[in-house]
Amino acid sequence: GAGVSQSPSNKVTEKGKDVELRCDPISGHTALYWYRQRLGQGLEFLIYFQGNSAPDKSGLPSDRFSAERTGESVSTLTIQRTQQEDSAVYLCASSWTSGGVGNEQFFGPGTRLTVL
Amino acid sequence: AQSVTQLDSHVSVSEGTPVLLRCNYSSSYSPSLFWYVQHPNKGLQLLLKYTSAATLVKGINGFEAEFKKSETSFHLTKPSAHMSDAAEYFCVVSPGSARQLTFGSGTQLTVLP
Repeated sequence: GAGVSQSPSNKVTEKGKDVELRCDPISGHTALYWYRQRLGQGLEFLIYFQGNSAPDKSGLPSDRFSAERTGESVSTLTIQRTQQEDSAVYLCASSWTSGGVGNEQFFGPGTRLTVL
Repeated sequence: AQSVTQLDSHVSVSEGTPVLLRCNYSSSYSPSLFWYVQHPNKGLQLLLKYTSAATLVKGINGFEAEFKKSETSFHLTKPSAHMSDAAEYFCVVSPGSARQLTFGSGTQLTVLP
């Protein structure tokens, strides 16, 4: 079956512009996660959605970052007034449910964002 | 709180020789531990996971890892490296009931012919 997909695969934008990144999770997965990966570093957790519960936004670095998810489907991550330090690969992951011992997250290929 | 330390940012081995990628973790709870691999321009792929069952965990592509609670380690090994193993490897910890994954900073594995 199809895995997690993300679009666009690459995005180049100018400082100060807004960008929107999209994630399509695996069908049936109730949990969805966004991570950021800066060059040469591990992943930083940004935000987490579980069904219709309030999202866990504890990883969002500033109020310029926001994300939405409609039900258990597509999610969009929006970055307003982009800054050069926002340049990174943004990864989306989904899982059958949240928590639970050993619950595996399936990752998409990522969106590479470059802010000039 | 939990954390992960990957002790080597780069490891180079010759094809056919053993691979050892080191990982130490810290967790307040009984953790789940994972190794993910990331090939260039590809998504993260799960290699193996430890979930408090057997301490020696076998994964895909001949990789395995041993959970050692006394040493708080979860090192990744493979008896014989293949050129296709060249990639970045991430050690990951997740407390038993938590949602977040905490990633190490990664180890870049180079396999020399």
